[in-house]
Amino acid sequence: ETGVTQTPRHLVMGMTNKKSLKCEQHLGHNAMYWYKQSAKKPLELMFVYNFKEQTENNSVPSRFSPECPNSSHLFLHLHTLQPEDSALYLCASSRSPTGGYYNEQFFGPGTRLTVL
Amino acid sequence: GQQLNQSPQSMFIQEGEDVSMNCTSSSIFNTWLWYKQDPGEGPVLLIALYKAGELTSNGRLTAQFGITRKDSFLNISASIPSDVGIYFCAGRREYGNKLVFGAGTILRVKS
Repeated sequence: ETGVTQTPRHLVMGMTNKKSLKCEQHLGHNAMYWYKQSAKKPLELMFVYNFKEQTENNSVPSRFSPECPNSSHLFLHLHTLQPEDSALYLCASSRSPTGGYYNEQFFGPGTRLTVL
Repeated sequence: GQQLNQSPQSMFIQEGEDVSMNCTSSSIFNTWLWYKQDPGEGPVLLIALYKAGELTSNGRLTAQFGITRKDSFLNISASIPSDVGIYFCAGRREYGNKLVFGAGTILRVKS
């Protein structure tokens, strides 16, 4: 498999559930990202990891907990979410977080999350 | 926070027509990117621009990095049904790494 993959593609959960989103990249990149995409709004950066270390937390509520065990895998652990957290969650990766020639972000297909 | 103003919000055009959309900012950017998102998929990078005034093409798509470094334009010539989707601009500020995204332009094409 190539590129950036995300599982599950769809998730419905109650406010008291605990679930996890998984992202895997097969591009040999070192930086990985979580974004939240809500309808008709710009993508919101949530977290950035570089070489497994978190380098950015964009004031994300603690009910979202990221984990990056290695440069190829990224998880987003979810607990006690709210209905307004329903959105498409996108994972991305790049060679490094700085961007530039041959160093832009590749996105996965996303996980469509619905919180009831 | 930093915002990009992307317009138009949506377009419904006839197949074969040309399309123009743009992104503006009040701040200077040193990178402009254009992504396309198909339904049920993640954004795919179409064109990357790194120099003011740069004009770059990718097939029927052409994008320009504005001379003021505060805007960028994307043109699609002779649209076809598979051009349907959401087009996002994204920019990187002069002294930062973060990408800032526009809210997207929804393109619909009538055959």
